[in-house]
Amino acid sequence: GAGVSQSPSNKVTEKGKDVELRCDPISGHTALYWYRQRLGQGLEFLIYFQGNSAPDKSGLPSDRFSAERTGESVSTLTIQRTQQEDSAVYLCASSSQPLRTGLTEAFFGQGTRLTVV
Amino acid sequence: AQSVTQPDIHITVSEGASLELRCNYSYGATPYLFWYVQSPGQGLQLLLKYFSGDTLVQGIKGFEAEFKRSQSSFNLRKPSVHWSDAAEYFCAVGARLNQAGTALIFGKGTTLSVSS
Repeated sequence: GAGVSQSPSNKVTEKGKDVELRCDPISGHTALYWYRQRLGQGLEFLIYFQGNSAPDKSGLPSDRFSAERTGESVSTLTIQRTQQEDSAVYLCASSSQPLRTGLTEAFFGQGTRLTVV
Repeated sequence: AQSVTQPDIHITVSEGASLELRCNYSYGATPYLFWYVQSPGQGLQLLLKYFSGDTLVQGIKGFEAEFKRSQSSFNLRKPSVHWSDAAEYFCAVGARLNQAGTALIFGKGTTLSVSS
């Protein structure tokens, strides 16, 4: 597609429920990133995919968080047994190559606003 | 550890006045530096980036930033602010992830308000 697409745009869920957030990166982009943005805060790095592999999961806040990517395309971020502190905007970004080359930029989606009640 | 500090949480500038948003980074190697803008209800948009070469970088919407290695800074400037510039501004550094790639590490952001 023309840009990074995330769905749903808004999600309200009850505490203790599981949620799945979806990211469709720009076609052909090999690198994909998930970030969390709490109200009034900066962007917190969660996880990075290169192709379908996630070489760095160190940013995931707890074992309730997991992510996968298939077909070097769509990625899903799953939060199990949601807690109120999980309420945030979850942003996905993609880039045509890993940022270490310094030759590209990350393109961001509009985010999914998650509210846990 | 890599980190980015934006000392100013909120800045108000009169329309037509000049603007400078501060950014300091901590990174052991040569940094890749970025400024993003986030308008209400919008996604993050890249304003400019620094990888190497000329330390004064020009971006979109009339913004520029200057990389100063000695001060570990990458401040964003604009000579004349427009009301449409009101938004949240994020500075970021491209940081290596355990030899497995690079991700952007963001500051907490500066909210810019523009008064008439």
